[in-house]
Amino acid sequence: ETGVTQTPRHLVMGMTNKKSLKCEQHLGHNAMYWYKQSAKKPLELMFVYNFKEQTENNSVPSRFSPECPNSSHLFLHLHTLQPEDSALYLCASSQAGTGGTEAFFGQGTRLTVV
Amino acid sequence: GENVEQHPSTLSVQEGDSAVIKCTYSDSASNYFPWYKQELGKGPQLIIDIRSNVGEKKDQRIAVTLNKTAKHFSLHITETQPEDSAVYFCAAIQAGTALIFGKGTTLSVSS
Repeated sequence: ETGVTQTPRHLVMGMTNKKSLKCEQHLGHNAMYWYKQSAKKPLELMFVYNFKEQTENNSVPSRFSPECPNSSHLFLHLHTLQPEDSALYLCASSQAGTGGTEAFFGQGTRLTVV
Repeated sequence: GENVEQHPSTLSVQEGDSAVIKCTYSDSASNYFPWYKQELGKGPQLIIDIRSNVGEKKDQRIAVTLNKTAKHFSLHITETQPEDSAVYFCAAIQAGTALIFGKGTTLSVSS
């Protein structure tokens, strides 16, 4: 266990569904991240939150909507996805602002859009 | 922004041989360079990292070298074992920003 927990581990959803991915970190970190991992673009940064504030949105389509209610929890709300959005979605956390530190990853959510 | 290139994309070695994976980065302001190992069905896990004020770091069979002038860094695994088989990612980061990853190297160690 890395201290970062993601749920669910697997998710199958239709293109008209709305679902949410959840991430929780127990490491006391102040930054959380969403990455998308697919065969074509491994480990692609999607969103960055520092101290609960979104500091980076890496040109992600609006059908992905992040939410960070506190420094320990991060959500990714999904709606009207496309089949090409099928991928492994990874959450990570770190202690940002101290010259670069290790990011801890969760196990990921394997998303399939049908 | 930062761009990280990683080579090779696949690497096959015999057990006991050494493996070397190389990365280059574009932003001279980057100051932290971790390496992650990802096994099937798991998230990436840090195996070694190096900061810009250090040229080399070693941890048992794993070592990382950094050449700031040339903006490249390398992962060296000696005496490879079958359990070293995985996907390895390099990354670069500036203070206060997020990790930017290379595309990964699939390492296969055959016994």
